[in-house]
Amino acid sequence: DARVTQTPRHKVTEMGQEVTMRCQPILGHNTVFWYRQTMMQGLELLAYFRNRAPLDDSGMPKDRFSAEMPDATLATLKIQPSEPRDSAVYFCASGLVLVSTGELFFGEGSRLTVL
Amino acid sequence: KQEVTQIPAALSVPEGENLVLNCSFTDSAIYNLQWFRQDPGKGLTSLLLIQSSQREQTSGRLNASLDKSSGRSTLYIAASQPGDSATYLCAVDRRGNTPLVFGKGTRLSVIA
Repeated sequence: DARVTQTPRHKVTEMGQEVTMRCQPILGHNTVFWYRQTMMQGLELLAYFRNRAPLDDSGMPKDRFSAEMPDATLATLKIQPSEPRDSAVYFCASGLVLVSTGELFFGEGSRLTVL
Repeated sequence: KQEVTQIPAALSVPEGENLVLNCSFTDSAIYNLQWFRQDPGKGLTSLLLIQSSQREQTSGRLNASLDKSSGRSTLYIAASQPGDSATYLCAVDRRGNTPLVFGKGTRLSVIA
């Protein structure tokens, strides 16, 4: 049963600490997305990769967020230093994107709380 | 910039009712429209995908329609059940492999 796996599921940290979230996309998918979900803003796109190359990270605060895809089986989202306003659920999604996005598969999310 | 709006934000209905969830988007030049379901504390699950050349898609008790010219889509749920309680989100993309833009969802409660 293919699925997107995210770790950690929950993270509580103090302001100023580094946070790293990891995502294992579905094998064979060529595109990986990072979204952030909050009550106020809903789902916001942070960054996405096609065939491991970053296509757009304009949704991320560049001074503190970074996203990488070191290999086809791992995508990472790092926040350094973390701030209370970063508290949210971070979702990774993967899909086989050809002409258009097609069906997306989401992980269960990483719930981040920054105190 | 594409904006997706879902009305109502929350809906509570008795079991057995047929219901309609609405989604509107500001830029009609979309390629696909997708409806997702999200259970509390979980990720999103794709329910239906309507491609630009299609007007509707059906899966079981769910039927989604798309009117690109008016910038609207509806998700029809027939004979609602308590297990349908969840948040339903719609999302659109454009031609050219652009990411999905999501609405904020409609939180549905089906009361037994």
